[in-house]
Amino acid sequence: SAVISQKPSRDICQRGTSLTIQCQVDSQVTMMFWYRQQPGQSLTLIATANQGSEATYESGFVIDKFPISRPNLTFSTLTVSNMSPEDSSIYLCSAWGREGDNEQFFGPGTRLTVL
Amino acid sequence: QKEVEQDPGPLSVPEGAIVSLNCTYSNSAFQYFMWYRQYSRKGPELLMYTYSSGNKEDGRFTAQVDKSSKYISLFIRDSQPSDSATYLCAMSDTFPGTSGSRLTFGEGTQLTVNP
Repeated sequence: SAVISQKPSRDICQRGTSLTIQCQVDSQVTMMFWYRQQPGQSLTLIATANQGSEATYESGFVIDKFPISRPNLTFSTLTVSNMSPEDSSIYLCSAWGREGDNEQFFGPGTRLTVL
Repeated sequence: QKEVEQDPGPLSVPEGAIVSLNCTYSNSAFQYFMWYRQYSRKGPELLMYTYSSGNKEDGRFTAQVDKSSKYISLFIRDSQPSDSATYLCAMSDTFPGTSGSRLTFGEGTQLTVNP
């Protein structure tokens, strides 16, 4: 299994500023993911972050708005840039377990409110 | 049209009831089906994982997949107040965790089991 922690757990930010969310996994994992979960809606994949390569973004999400770093096999960051109230959401980090695991683990989420 | 449709509820049942949660999907390429449970202010956790059609049972939980109807279900027997959570279905056309795979989630059904 994998235990995932995120920082911060929540934040309230001003329009136009940026926030970096940190994701730490307690074991080495190949694939990490960043999701957004808006109230009453399903999880939407923002990007897949593999160590040693550029993040792969889903349709509707761009690197300038959501830059991602993946410096090693246990850590990743997601930055929400130039925020607007529409970016208010829960941001979830996720990772597959070790090779052979059939389970995708999720962090507790970062609850972001943009004023 | 969304690829995955799930009745958002809310669903409220008495303790001990049998609960049926359902999702329909439109992408016939989906082969891997999962159910996640998400408690309030927590990340989703995997409950059941099923490949292709058929049934899978784990304790009080049974997952059913009917690919001909593009319909999946999660049954909870002898429901408990601790089962109160949001249940999300998710599915993928390729083995989750492999490069290029991605999970498509339903909106989640909010379940309350009353003592």
